[in-house]
Amino acid sequence: LAKTTQPISMDSYEGQEVNITCSHNNIATNDYITWYQQFPSQGPRFIIQGYKTKVTNEVASLFIPADRKSSTLSLPRVSLSDTAVYYCLVGDPIKAAGNKLTFGGGTRVLVKP
Amino acid sequence: DAGITQSPRHKVTETGTPVTLRCHQTENHRYMYWYRQDPGHGLRLIHYSYGVKDTDKGEVSDGYSVSRSKTEDFLLTLESATSSQTSVYFCASQTGMDTEAFFGQGTRLTVV
Repeated sequence: LAKTTQPISMDSYEGQEVNITCSHNNIATNDYITWYQQFPSQGPRFIIQGYKTKVTNEVASLFIPADRKSSTLSLPRVSLSDTAVYYCLVGDPIKAAGNKLTFGGGTRVLVKP
Repeated sequence: DAGITQSPRHKVTETGTPVTLRCHQTENHRYMYWYRQDPGHGLRLIHYSYGVKDTDKGEVSDGYSVSRSKTEDFLLTLESATSSQTSVYFCASQTGMDTEAFFGQGTRLTVV
């Protein structure tokens, strides 16, 4: 399984764009990259998923370079309510047994007024 | 949101007693997971299931067992609870690895 590395924490201010980069140097050909958000006392919530290039939804954008050894989650114009922990995961959607949804330490994002 | 519920939501138990936590999903999801989360830590995978009666260990499986006799239910058992198992437990389910996983609200377990 591809291991992921993210910054432990990041601070930002309301209205700014927040970019969180995740390294996954040994990503496999079939692996997808997925990001989750977790608020205190709640379970994680899916944000976005991608395989290559760029994916955008109503919440965030995900940028994946051609070599796929890293990915960047971009949160546009953050608000105080975006303060949360953000997790990057890498996994193969094809395999069944042995395929685990494994979380790393995550990045704690604090949005200040 | 997908229908995934955990029970109980809170439990206090004594050291050495058995405890079973239940995760129930109504989405016919194939994959189900149990995690624990401790202060200052991310989610650590305890056990997971990739189908009925198909389960495997995660990174912190010692002291825990699981069972999945039906698609909708995934049970986590602490055979003999210890204080080190005091934690918040989350379950999750998903259709496939390329789909989003849905998480329960968590169970706060305290072993005294």
